[in-house]
Amino acid sequence: NAGVTQTPKFRVLKTGQSMTLLCAQDMNHEYMYWYRQDPGMGLRLIHYSVGEGTTAKGEVPDGYNVSRLKKQNFLLGLESAAPSQTSVYFCASSYLQGTGELFFGEGSRLTVL
Amino acid sequence: DAKTTQPPSMDCAEGRAANLPCNHSTISGNEYVYWYRQIHSQGPQYIIHGLKNNETNEMASLIITEDRKSSTLILPHATLRDTAVYYCIVRVVNAGKSTFGDGTTLTVKP
Repeated sequence: NAGVTQTPKFRVLKTGQSMTLLCAQDMNHEYMYWYRQDPGMGLRLIHYSVGEGTTAKGEVPDGYNVSRLKKQNFLLGLESAAPSQTSVYFCASSYLQGTGELFFGEGSRLTVL
Repeated sequence: DAKTTQPPSMDCAEGRAANLPCNHSTISGNEYVYWYRQIHSQGPQYIIHGLKNNETNEMASLIITEDRKSSTLILPHATLRDTAVYYCIVRVVNAGKSTFGDGTTLTVKP
């Protein structure tokens, strides 16, 4: 049982390049989330999904796109990376029912030059 | 989701109780209070949650005021390994959106 797995863990991009972060969970959770965390700051919600095929905007969605084609996967895409998107990205998931506890991945550190 | 207010930082002596406050004056009747902590740059870890009754588990206790406008997380015997950023959030259990604030940086000192 791996929990929430994020790939890649580290990535360096040049301005204007595109990339996709993958989040995979093996707990059959309905909800999935993408957060970003800048140095010394808290987590800010980018996008989230309440089920397969659905996505919704969070607090800071601009410059990002997401897809949830399979229940276990939640992809975060950057179409044209900017230095302001340098951050640590965390994925999380939770059950629809139960305690509502969020389970987090280990994070993906992205640097845009 | 209701917003929360936490002090940016707190210190605690090792072995003493750490009491971390959180204000959530606009909390709705169906919103729960959750606490998480983040050690170094790891992913946040769930600690405890509650609706209106006080809660206790193996990690901590959660005290929610009768009007539910504030709460306190209590780490009964803080250790150096409890040094972390602690986040208080409020959310409806079955609602998708879940937002975090900036949290409280707790430093446990020897």
